[in-house]
Amino acid sequence: SQQGEEDPQALSIQEGENATMNCSYKTSINNLQWYRQNSGRGLVHLILIRSNEREKHSGRLRVTLDTSKKSSSLLITASRAADTASYFCATVPTGANSKLTFGKGITLSVRP
Amino acid sequence: GAVVSQHPSWVICKSGTSVKIECRSLDFQATTMFWYRQFPKQSLMLMATSNEGSKATYEQGVEKDKFLINHASLTLSTLTVTSAHPEDSSFYICSASGGRRRWNEQFFGPGTRLTVL
Repeated sequence: SQQGEEDPQALSIQEGENATMNCSYKTSINNLQWYRQNSGRGLVHLILIRSNEREKHSGRLRVTLDTSKKSSSLLITASRAADTASYFCATVPTGANSKLTFGKGITLSVRP
Repeated sequence: GAVVSQHPSWVICKSGTSVKIECRSLDFQATTMFWYRQFPKQSLMLMATSNEGSKATYEQGVEKDKFLINHASLTLSTLTVTSAHPEDSSFYICSASGGRRRWNEQFFGPGTRLTVL
């Protein structure tokens, strides 16, 4: 069953703007991961944040994690047309080793 | 590093035939491999988890006799869709984890698009 729920489900922004995507989950987790998927392609791992971390950066990506609210956000700064893709959060529940549970995904469109 | 390949990348078959999809970890030993299915504009749904040398663990609602999984070596897992029907048409993605530094991360293959006519 799916645990992560992203919002919004679809987001359209202008190139250069920031994109913020949110994810909520239900059970306690070991870590939370964000992935990108271009249309019809496989998944690209973006970033992993552990349950004892609150914020993590990677290039133009910033991820936050609030375990008290069971939520995470992914911020893409200075978006580019190439960032157009679907973004998924996925959680590894506590004690589940590496088994991932994916959210429904967010479709991001960046207009040039 | 941590490259996972899938073959074929796409396949079209007739209803009633069986299709085998291969998932390989190219540069690490994958003690665990996962198989997912993704319908258009939907999320990935875990179908089964396989550990090398043992039987796969299927998620609830996934028919083990229809989706045969074999994980015979540390670098190869196969998914066979038996007696495929049009409703089995989907995007199948595998992932692999394992190795000393990668035990808790999954590395995804590029996916296989199956179309059953």
